[in-house]
Parts: sequence; C-alpha cells; structure tokens
Amino acid sequence: GESVGLHLPTLSVQEGDNSIINCAYSNSASDYFIWYKQESGKGPQFIIDIRSNMDKRQGQRVTVLLNKTVKHLSLQIAATQPGDSAVYFCAENDRGSTLGRLYFGRGTQLTVWP
Amino acid sequence: DAGVTQSPTHLIKTRGQQVTLRCSPKSGHDTVSWYQQALGQGPQFIFQYYEEEERQRGNFPDRFSGHQFPNYSSELNVNALLLGDSALYLCASRLNRNTEAFFGQGTRLTVV
Repeated sequence: GESVGLHLPTLSVQEGDNSIINCAYSNSASDYFIWYKQESGKGPQFIIDIRSNMDKRQGQRVTVLLNKTVKHLSLQIAATQPGDSAVYFCAENDRGSTLGRLYFGRGTQLTVWP
Repeated sequence: DAGVTQSPTHLIKTRGQQVTLRCSPKSGHDTVSWYQQALGQGPQFIFQYYEEEERQRGNFPDRFSGHQFPNYSSELNVNALLLGDSALYLCASRLNRNTEAFFGQGTRLTVV
C-alpha cells in the first residue's frame, strides 16, 4: 500500500524566501525517491531525484535531503519565485517492483506571495 | 521529443458507460504506467505495461483494464463507470526503474 506521506498540506512563503517541503516514508527498503511539481490542470513534472546511497543532491535552486535513519525526505527551494507555486509530491520507488511502481504522498500546496 | 502524450484531455461520461483513454510514451520508453489522481490526492498506481503485458497492478477492480501495442502506446479502459471514477488519469513512461517517470498532461474524466 501507500507508504509515502507528507507533514504539511500547505506552505505559504514570500517571494525570495527559501522553502522547505517535507516528506516521510515508511518503507526502509525504498531505494529511489523523486520530487514532482504539479501545476493546476497539468501532469506531475520531474524536479529532482535521489538514490538511497546518497544523503543530498543539488539541482538548480533545489536541494533534496534524504535522512534514512528517520525515513525523511525534504525539498529545499532557494529564492522561491511566484512560478514555484504548485503542489509538490514526493514519490518512492517500490523496491519490489522490477519496472518501478511509484508510491506518492498526498502533496504539499506551495503558495508564493509577492 | 513530444514527451508523453495523452488523449483526450477532457471527457464526460454517464454512469454505467465505458471509456477508453490513450497514451503515447516518451520516445525510447517501453514501459507505461497508469495512475488515477483524485482531487486533492496524490496519484494512485493502477497498472503497468511492458512488452504488451500487464506486469503489475494496483488495488483497482477488474473494471479497469488496459492494453499495450507493439509501438509501446497504451490504452486504459474502464467499464461500468461509477461516479467515484471521476478523476485525472495520468500516464507515465520510464526508461527503467532507476530513472524518473515522465508524466503526460492527463485526461480529466468526469462521470455524471
């Protein structure tokens, strides 16, 4: 069943501030995680991924942190912009799925105020 | 590269009817998965196709069925539609299990 969840359903930040979106997972055997951004009326869009043999990965303005000890994942967005407003999902790869079934959390709605 | 494409974008059906949704995966991808996303929820896995066979299935009734064609495109069929089937249906394709899944824009199905 679903093993990924989120701490907060909504997050509001001011433009220019940094945002942190959190995610908890329950399957300690999960080996691959993805963050997706979903704008209204659109499909999920890949942001960044991280494998379980890593603790941190950086992209353009985004950083993902993985804490396997407490089974926690976070997405940090630097200098948040209005265009970052969307729902953010973390997704977990089903380790038992050879073709990669993804489990999604409920999502966090990020709102960026000017 | 057109990415993952789905059709139609919107659809309205009556309870009891049947519907077929279509998906073309990203170029080079041979694995297609279907997800159902209810309003305010994360996507839920329906099933996955590889080499024209259903390889894995989520917790969905047999009313949900699918097909994959030799060109890797796929269809999702839902029979005997219920009001609760109203959702955004997403198609995703991947190169392999250790890379990101690319999603289409989805088909918004409304059952009335």
